[in-house]
Amino acid sequence: ETGVTQTPRHLVMGMTNKKSLKCEQHLGHNAMYWYKQSAKKPLELMFVYNFKEQTENNSVPSRFSPECPNSSHLFLHLHTLQPEDSALYLCASSQEARTNYGYTFGSGTRLTVV
Amino acid sequence: GQQLNQSPQSMFIQEGEDVSMNCTSSSIFNTWLWYKQDPGEGPVLLIALYKAGELTSNGRLTAQFGITRKDSFLNISASIPSDVGIYFCALIIQGAQKLVFGQGTRLTINP
Repeated sequence: ETGVTQTPRHLVMGMTNKKSLKCEQHLGHNAMYWYKQSAKKPLELMFVYNFKEQTENNSVPSRFSPECPNSSHLFLHLHTLQPEDSALYLCASSQEARTNYGYTFGSGTRLTVV
Repeated sequence: GQQLNQSPQSMFIQEGEDVSMNCTSSSIFNTWLWYKQDPGEGPVLLIALYKAGELTSNGRLTAQFGITRKDSFLNISASIPSDVGIYFCALIIQGAQKLVFGQGTRLTINP
């Protein structure tokens, strides 16, 4: 596989469930990102990881917990979410966090909280 | 925070028409990027601009980095059905290692 792969593509979960989103990149990049895309809102940066270290948490509620075990994998652990957390969650990667060349995005996970 | 305004928010055009959209920022930046998001997919980079006044083409797409370094436009010539999607401008905030996106322009094409 090439590029940035996200699984699952779709997820429906109840407010008391615990689930995880997975992102994997095969580009040899060292920085990975989670973005949230809600209807009628700009893409919102959630977390930044550079060389496996979290370098940015954009005031994200603690019910979202990221994990980056290595430079190729990024997870977003979800627990006790709210219906307003329903959105498209996009993972992206770049050569490193300080880059001029933009990011490569995955196809996203469409999350619905019921 | 950084103010990035993209317009128009949506466009409804006939196939074959030309399209123009633009973004303005409240501050000066060194890099403008334009992305396209197809339905059900993540954004894909179309064009990157690194110098004030730079004009860059990618097929039927042309983008320019404004002289003031506070704006950019994207033009699409002779639109075709596969041009449908959401177009985003984006800025790289160097010190904060962030990519910040505009609100997006949703393009719909009538055949």
